[in-house]
Amino acid sequence: QSVLTQPPSASGAPGQRVTISCSGSSSNIGSNTVNWFQQFPGTAPKLLIYNNNQRPSGVPDRFSDSKSGTSASLAISGLQSEDEADYYCTTWDDSLNGWVFGGGTRLTVL
Amino acid sequence: QVQLVESGGGVVQPGRSLRLSCAASGFSFSSYGMHWVRQAPGKGLEWVAVISYDRSHISYVDSVKGRFTISRDNSKNTLYLQMNSLRAEDTAVYYCANGRYCSGGRCYPEFDYWGQGTLVTVSS
Repeated sequence: QSVLTQPPSASGAPGQRVTISCSGSSSNIGSNTVNWFQQFPGTAPKLLIYNNNQRPSGVPDRFSDSKSGTSASLAISGLQSEDEADYYCTTWDDSLNGWVFGGGTRLTVL
Repeated sequence: QVQLVESGGGVVQPGRSLRLSCAASGFSFSSYGMHWVRQAPGKGLEWVAVISYDRSHISYVDSVKGRFTISRDNSKNTLYLQMNSLRAEDTAVYYCANGRYCSGGRCYPEFDYWGQGTLVTVSS
């Protein structure tokens, strides 16, 4: 299983706000910033959020993140059908001396 | 524009070797750290290895230590992953992605650029 724990699935209706959690430990999320990715089937992941709620150019501000202790969350507001995808969190782990990913969350837009 | 193009994937028998390449263009490759990330069929992402811009720092996930070697040729703008003693559980799409780059007091996001991936299948 993954070092970071994400729920396998999440869902919401268009226009709603949905959050996806990512739980870790003091050696990873508790000590380092978290990145979030969006991935559509058959394509490479796309960076959504990095370095404490920073968004690469082109990522809408409907996507935001937060962190508290050893957990982080991705929030998607104003849910749209095109947001239906897999979402992953990742961060550096000081104990493992490497990057760790969450197992991924499949978001369904109802 | 930024391009990362992986190559070298294919079908290989358990215990054999394979070398992946990632050709970079559109950015200052020699100034960036670089990652390999893999994704087994129907599974999630797994980070594999990272190399700093000057090769001074290299790190691997435990499951590939001693079997895989990450390297780079900055003169050719190319990243490599030498994979030895391959196992069935190494079957995955392998992606290269950019790593750390800092300039003028600002650090740019890691994993911002990705290739399209190359499929490695380990099977007898």
